[in-house]
Amino acid sequence: GAGVSQTPSNKVTEKGKYVELRCDPISGHTALYWYRQSLGQGPEFLIYFQGTGAADDSGLPNDRFFAVRPEGSVSTLKIQRTERGDSAVYLCASSLLPQSGANVLTFGAGSRLTVL
Amino acid sequence: QKEVEQNSGPLSVPEGAIASLNCTYSDRGSQSFFWYRQYSGKSPELIMFIYSNGDKEDGRFTAQLNKASQYVSLLIRDSQPSDSATYLCAVIGGRGGSNYKLTFGKGTLLTVNP
Repeated sequence: GAGVSQTPSNKVTEKGKYVELRCDPISGHTALYWYRQSLGQGPEFLIYFQGTGAADDSGLPNDRFFAVRPEGSVSTLKIQRTERGDSAVYLCASSLLPQSGANVLTFGAGSRLTVL
Repeated sequence: QKEVEQNSGPLSVPEGAIASLNCTYSDRGSQSFFWYRQYSGKSPELIMFIYSNGDKEDGRFTAQLNKASQYVSLLIRDSQPSDSATYLCAVIGGRGGSNYKLTFGKGTLLTVNP
């Protein structure tokens, strides 16, 4: 597609529920990233995919968070047993292969998650 | 000490003035530096990036990098009300040598008054 597409744009759930957030990157972008942005903060890195594999998942806060990208395109971020502290905007970004000196990420519009 | 620091603002300038946005970073090994603009409720969009010391100009925007001082800035000339947004500074590189992980500051809110 022309840009990075994320669904849903808004998700309201109850504490303890399971949620899935979907990201469809720009066609041809092999690198995909998930970031989380809380109110008044800059985006924080969660996970980076190179193709189908998670090359770096060091930003995932705990084992309730998991992400997949089975065919190297669409990715799903999965959050189990949601907590109120998970409320944030989850941003997906994609890029061509990172190169030394310049890695230009294009962000999607984000999925706003609210845990009641 | 936070890795990337920005004054949260708000920074208020009159229309037509020069807006100066500043950012410092703690990791001397950081390699590339990015400025993103984020309108309220929207996603970040890249304005420009810089990786060599000195100035880089793109239209009304100039990025300035001083690696010795670990300082990067963004100047916006002839500021317009449509420039009102949060400006995020981000860096890549440093410890571990990652060339993909952006570390963001909190952002500076800029308001351009007509």
